[in-house]
Amino acid sequence: EAQVTQNPRYLITVTGKKLTVTCSQNMNHEYMSWYRQDPGLGLRQIYYSMNVEVTDKGDVPEGYKVSRKEKRNFPLILESPSPNQTSLYFCASSFGRGGVTQPQHFGDGTRLSIL
Amino acid sequence: ILNVEQSPQSLHVQEGDSTNFTCSFPSSNFYALHWYRWETAKSPEALFVMTLNGDEKKKGRISATLNTKEGYSYLYIKGSQPEDSATYLCAPSRGNKLTFGGGTRVLVKP
Repeated sequence: EAQVTQNPRYLITVTGKKLTVTCSQNMNHEYMSWYRQDPGLGLRQIYYSMNVEVTDKGDVPEGYKVSRKEKRNFPLILESPSPNQTSLYFCASSFGRGGVTQPQHFGDGTRLSIL
Repeated sequence: ILNVEQSPQSLHVQEGDSTNFTCSFPSSNFYALHWYRWETAKSPEALFVMTLNGDEKKKGRISATLNTKEGYSYLYIKGSQPEDSATYLCAPSRGNKLTFGGGTRVLVKP
């Protein structure tokens, strides 16, 4: 089954404790992206990747890191999480060789609470 | 950050009625316009991606049009059903970035 898999689905943690949210897709997509969803602010793009070893900042990259060492995986890293990063996070992927002109396939979301 | 506006923010529709709502975006450096349907407790699901001015797309009772010169897109729902209740998101892409609007929340009353 074609899917985007995020782990964990839920996480409660404390300020400053490094965490990684994994994202994996099995559709051989080039484009992968992370978004956060906050009430009243909609979905905002954090980072995106056009292919292996190619990543770039979205609109809200501060406090996050990503890597794309393999085509199928695109982990989101919070080196020193803070309470303002409490949010619902989505990973998405699509085919793409220039511009985001293909529909995004979204994972089920990860709800992060940072105390 | 790209300014993407969706209006109205929410609307109530009687079952069987048709409705439409708007997505407005800057027309410069346009690549594509995405529409997604987002049901509560689920993840967004793609409806359409449109790239050309004047594009029209249709999926069942839902259709969309695109005007890239003036920077807007309309989404239409014909004969609304309770299962159409969801938040509808638009997202223009500029190069490799995708910026979402705040969504239009549709509630269809039986």
